Amino acid sequence: QQQVKQSPQSLIVQKGGISIINCAYENTAFDYFPWYQQFPGKGPALLIAIRPDVSEKKEGRFTISFNKSAKQFSLHIMDSQPGDSATYFCAASIGQGGKLIFGQGTELSVKP
Amino acid sequence: KAGVTQTPRYLIKTRGQQVTLSCSPISGHRSVSWYQQTPGQGLQFLFEYFSETQRNKGNFPGRFSGRQFSNSRSEMNVSTLELGDSALYLCASSLEGSTPQHFGDGTRLSIL
Repeated sequence: QQQVKQSPQSLIVQKGGISIINCAYENTAFDYFPWYQQFPGKGPALLIAIRPDVSEKKEGRFTISFNKSAKQFSLHIMDSQPGDSATYFCAASIGQGGKLIFGQGTELSVKP
Repeated sequence: KAGVTQTPRYLIKTRGQQVTLSCSPISGHRSVSWYQQTPGQGLQFLFEYFSETQRNKGNFPGRFSGRQFSNSRSEMNVSTLELGDSALYLCASSLEGSTPQHFGDGTRLSIL
């Protein structure tokens, strides 16, 4: 019930294309859903986050789509660039208290 | 504003030893969470400290412990090290709890 399932495990996209990463959860008590980007040798960096009262949030080229009834959320990266090549993690948490439950990660490679 | 600082960056220990890792949160942040990252298990929550009190705990054995000081700096201790404890240990800080968490670049612990 505490799991967050992420897919795909790896993704190859051409420069300028759209990268889409999906996550699903079971626990309806989750109320905060962030996405993190991690480069080799670095810690995860917060990209964008959403709460379940909103169906979509956009920041620059990054968009989160949230489907509360399906218990799914996804990250869309528009106009993907080689510099976006990294590992992406979705996560979820409940209320206050810094306990993030992470998905398994997606290794994104953007080809020039 | 300085980010989350973790020391040391790299550590090599042998089985049976113990180790202490340090985390200095972003100035003003009162919550510090610790995570273990491995290729097989991904990112797993260890524990969270808020105002010097452990507020959340993950599913790790008692060999893993932590504490937080009055200046919000935190330490994590692992006793009787096992080969399986080899991992990247990440610390994250936030103002009050889950939103948003900012990660350090981690301590890479290798057990020989």
